[in-house]
Amino acid sequence: EAGVVQSPRYKIIEKKQPVAFWCNPISGHNTLYWYLQNLGQGPELLIRYENEEAVDDSQLPKDRFSAERLKGVDSTLKIQPAELGDSAVYLCASSQGTSFLRVDEQFFGPGTRLTVL
Amino acid sequence: SQELEQSPQSLIVQEGKNLTINCTSSKTLYGLYWYKQKYGEGLIFLMMLQKGGEEKSHEKITAKLDEKKQQSSLHITASQPSHAGIYLCGADMGDSSYKLIFGSGTRLLVRP
Repeated sequence: EAGVVQSPRYKIIEKKQPVAFWCNPISGHNTLYWYLQNLGQGPELLIRYENEEAVDDSQLPKDRFSAERLKGVDSTLKIQPAELGDSAVYLCASSQGTSFLRVDEQFFGPGTRLTVL
Repeated sequence: SQELEQSPQSLIVQEGKNLTINCTSSKTLYGLYWYKQKYGEGLIFLMMLQKGGEEKSHEKITAKLDEKKQQSSLHITASQPSHAGIYLCGADMGDSSYKLIFGSGTRLLVRP
């Protein structure tokens, strides 16, 4: 079974440019997460989707970040315009969303490493 | 996250030695997940603990959640170079956000 797929794996852009990341979760997983991971830190949740609905976007900087999951499958995270401080790894994760647990076991993709110059 | 503290921050051990990584919370944990991450890669799920006093093992790795559910430990027996990486604990703090809060990770290097 294929894992969580993310692209691109690496991206280098100049500040003020737009950038987009794509994620395809594990087939059948209803819940999708986007995380931000700074160097030497653990991941921090940006947004969580249940199917196509964003149920938790409280940590998403909405002035420059946006995300969508139109058909409840794959998702795109966009930054416009990018700032120097956005350099980080952007991780996507998915979970089945059907277990009895409050928080499901999450399966992570390899991440997109963004460098803003 | 300061809500979840991991120690040590980094660890270098000789192959074959045992080691322990700790994850301490300021609040009661409703679920505690251990992940491993290699540089440039995503997180790989290791184990999940939910009940006070629970202990789980997989190969040479054992994770425990204390009775008060505020601290977890990850113990590796007879370490191997393949154990090297960053170990992260993620916790469900039981609040209304239903999300995982992660510690900063413990970087493990195993010398052959």
